[in-house]
Amino acid sequence: SQQGEEDPQALSIQEGENATMNCSYKTSINNLQWYRQNSGRGLVHLILIRSNEREKHSGRLRVTLDTSKKSSSLLITASRAADTASYFCATESNDYKLSFGAGTTVTVRA
Amino acid sequence: DTAVSQTPKYLVTQMGNDKSIKCEQNLGHDTMYWYKQDSKKFLKIMFSYNNKELIINETVPNRFSPKSPDKAHLNLHINSLELGDSAVYFCASTYGGATGETQYFGPGTRLLVL
Repeated sequence: SQQGEEDPQALSIQEGENATMNCSYKTSINNLQWYRQNSGRGLVHLILIRSNEREKHSGRLRVTLDTSKKSSSLLITASRAADTASYFCATESNDYKLSFGAGTTVTVRA
Repeated sequence: DTAVSQTPKYLVTQMGNDKSIKCEQNLGHDTMYWYKQDSKKFLKIMFSYNNKELIINETVPNRFSPKSPDKAHLNLHINSLELGDSAVYFCASTYGGATGETQYFGPGTRLLVL
């Protein structure tokens, strides 16, 4: 069964705006990872946040994790056309397996 | 200098046929995975091998058989293909398969069963 669920399913924004997407999960985790998938390509790792961390930054990306609510958010600031992609959260539990959601499709309009 | 490569990129075949997808990684990683992404974009793990040994085997029909001739290769053979096998299959690898490791994905193999 899928562990992570992203929300919204789709997001359309203007270049320069911020994009926020959320991920909810069901069971306890070791860490949560965000991946990007460009159309017709494989997934690319963006950022990992461990269960004892609350916030992490990487360039224009900001990830938060609230283990009490079993949720995470990914913020992309000052979006660019090249950020158009699907974004997936993946949770890793004690079995070291990654469970992915169905992703949020982000479209950045020029 | 592709890190994780898969062949073929596209595969169109008839129901009942047997087909194989190949995966190779040149990252020196010990652990490799096969994932299936369905039409709704759900990505689900199928198998994982660590140094040629099967460590994850999800509830996958036994028509699917992975084979790892060495730690740099993980192939997927599918017997008696069915319409529901149509999906994108991704190979991935990690350094050791331990917690918190980044997974490196191949470009995917788009399988269409007619």
